[in-house]
Amino acid sequence: QAGLTQPPSVSKGLRQTATLTCTGDSDNVGNQGAAWLQQHQGHPPRLLSYRNNNRPSGISERVSAFRSGNTASLTITGLQPEDEADYYCSAWDSSLSAWVFGGGTKLTVL
Amino acid sequence: EVQLVESGGGLVQPGGSLRLSCAASGFTFSIYWMAWVRQAPGKGLEWVANINQHGNEKYYVDSVKGRFTISRDNARNSLYLQINSLRAEDTAVYYCARDPGIGNDCWGQGTLVTVSS
Repeated sequence: QAGLTQPPSVSKGLRQTATLTCTGDSDNVGNQGAAWLQQHQGHPPRLLSYRNNNRPSGISERVSAFRSGNTASLTITGLQPEDEADYYCSAWDSSLSAWVFGGGTKLTVL
Repeated sequence: EVQLVESGGGLVQPGGSLRLSCAASGFTFSIYWMAWVRQAPGKGLEWVANINQHGNEKYYVDSVKGRFTISRDNARNSLYLQINSLRAEDTAVYYCARDPGIGNDCWGQGTLVTVSS
């Protein structure tokens, strides 16, 4: 089953802005949008955003998401050391009847 | 507080079987879809299966169809994953996750399944 495409790594400086991308197709990202999850080493993932730009309670306002066509984006402003983590996108694929994940992007805060 | 606690992982030989369990608390388990997601060592997340509130609608990733079975017991607030005919590539941490249809919003700590002779 095909997954979503994410760049393997992104590096940004402290207090800068990072934008992570996730590319799918019209059956997944382009259909119902994407969810974004953050995972620190040795911990389970945590949902950051869903249906493109909805944040669960407790998620920082520095996090925002956007979708254009079949590509979803996650933007984190004012980068802090604790933002250094792996970030995954996921979406329901209506043709596969399955959730698909991206391969993950490792965000490094310099 | 929403809590998901997995158990049942361990070391198993190729071709063997395991039954993973997930105990849910802190929310009304019976009204949510639930899912299993796995993560091989050093790799990304892979969705494995999900199940509807009543247990009569289930979906699986192609690589586990015919070998894995997801089920639930709403009276016990529990989710299960029966895994048979295990292969080395099934080695992973298996997470139980709540699935409200918008992404997995709550996750357990995971249970490690290691397939090795």
